[in-house]
Parts: sequence; structure tokens; C-alpha cells
Amino acid sequence: AQSVTQLGSHVSVSEGALVLLRCNYSSSVPPYLFWYVQYPNQGLQLLLKYTSAATLVKGINGFEAEFKKSETSFHLTKPSAHMSDAAEYFCAVSAGGYQKVTFGTGTKLQVIP
Amino acid sequence: DVKVTQSSRYLVKRTGEKVFLECVQDMDHENMFWYRQDPGLGLRLIYFSYDVKMKEKGDIPEGYSVSREKKERFSLILESASTNQTSMYLCASARRTARGQPQHFGDGTRLSIL
Repeated sequence: AQSVTQLGSHVSVSEGALVLLRCNYSSSVPPYLFWYVQYPNQGLQLLLKYTSAATLVKGINGFEAEFKKSETSFHLTKPSAHMSDAAEYFCAVSAGGYQKVTFGTGTKLQVIP
Repeated sequence: DVKVTQSSRYLVKRTGEKVFLECVQDMDHENMFWYRQDPGLGLRLIYFSYDVKMKEKGDIPEGYSVSREKKERFSLILESASTNQTSMYLCASARRTARGQPQHFGDGTRLSIL
């Protein structure tokens, strides 16, 4: 069984401030973890993925995430928020066959000028 | 570049109608998925397919069926549409070669059932 919990359905940050979006997972086997971003009226786009290589994963648009097994966490960060980062972000875990993925409920990021 | 195309961006149908949502991918991916997305609930898996003519139920298959006659095309069917099926529907595809392959998404179909 696998599950994902995203803490905070809405997060607001000022432009230039640190972005931190939280994700905790549950998995009975070593997981693969993903962060996706969804801009308004679009599908999901892959930001980054963890596949058991390095625990610190760098993605597109300056985002990165750190896999912490002891905390079962995979939080997404960006040092300095940009207005274009305003979107909804989904954490996801894959631990089963056929590339089945379980998504979190999403976090909407608002960037305040 | 990877491309998943959903046939309609917006669709309005009436209760009781049979509704078809079409999805085509050009990446030769083995796996294809249908999700519905609702505010506060994230993405929920309806059905997926790992090969032509093969299908597996996801978490919320009731009221839906699927068809995969060709590798590149995966159709979602609402047999008798109801108002609680008003939602955003997302199609995705992925390679089956190994675990950890990301899914590639279409832009979604916003379906309203009146």
C-alpha cells in the first residue's frame, strides 16, 4: 500500500522568499517519489523525481527536493519564489507495478508581489 | 517532444448520455491512465491499461469503462452520464520498462454534465 500526504492545501509566499511545500509518504517497499506542477487549465508537468540515487534531487525551474527516509518526507523547496511559480503542486509516490502512482491532494502556491 | 493529446478541452453533456473521452499519445508508451481531478481530492485513478486490449480498475471505476484497441489510443467511456461525474479528466502515459518512469499528461478535458 502507498499513500501521500501534502500539508497545507494553500501556501502564500512573497516574491523572493523561500518556497517550502511539504510532502510525507507511506510505502511498504522502497518508493519512487515525484513532484508535479500544474498551471491553470493545463495538465501536470514533471518537476523532479527521486529514484533511489542521490537523496537531494534537482529539478526544473530552480526547484529541488530532499528524500529523508527516517522522516518519510520529500519536501519541495526553492530558494527564491518568482511570480511565475504560482501554480498547484502535487507530490506522488510509486511503489507498485505498472507505474501506478498515488497522488497527494495538491498544494496551491500563491506568490505575492 | 512527448505529446499526449486529449480530444476536447471542454465538453458539456446531458444526464443519461453516453460520453466518450479520447486520448492519444505519440511516445509508443505501453501504459496509459485515466484520472479525474476534483478540488481538494487531488487526482484519483479511474482505469489504466498496460497493453492493447488490457485494462485494470483503478480506485474509482464505478460508472466508467475504457477501451484500448490500439497502443496509442485510450478511451474513457461514461456509460450513462450523471451530474456527479462533472469533473476534470486527465489522461497520462508512461513507459513500462522500469519502475520510476514518470507519467506524461495531456491538458485535460473539463466535462460538465447537466
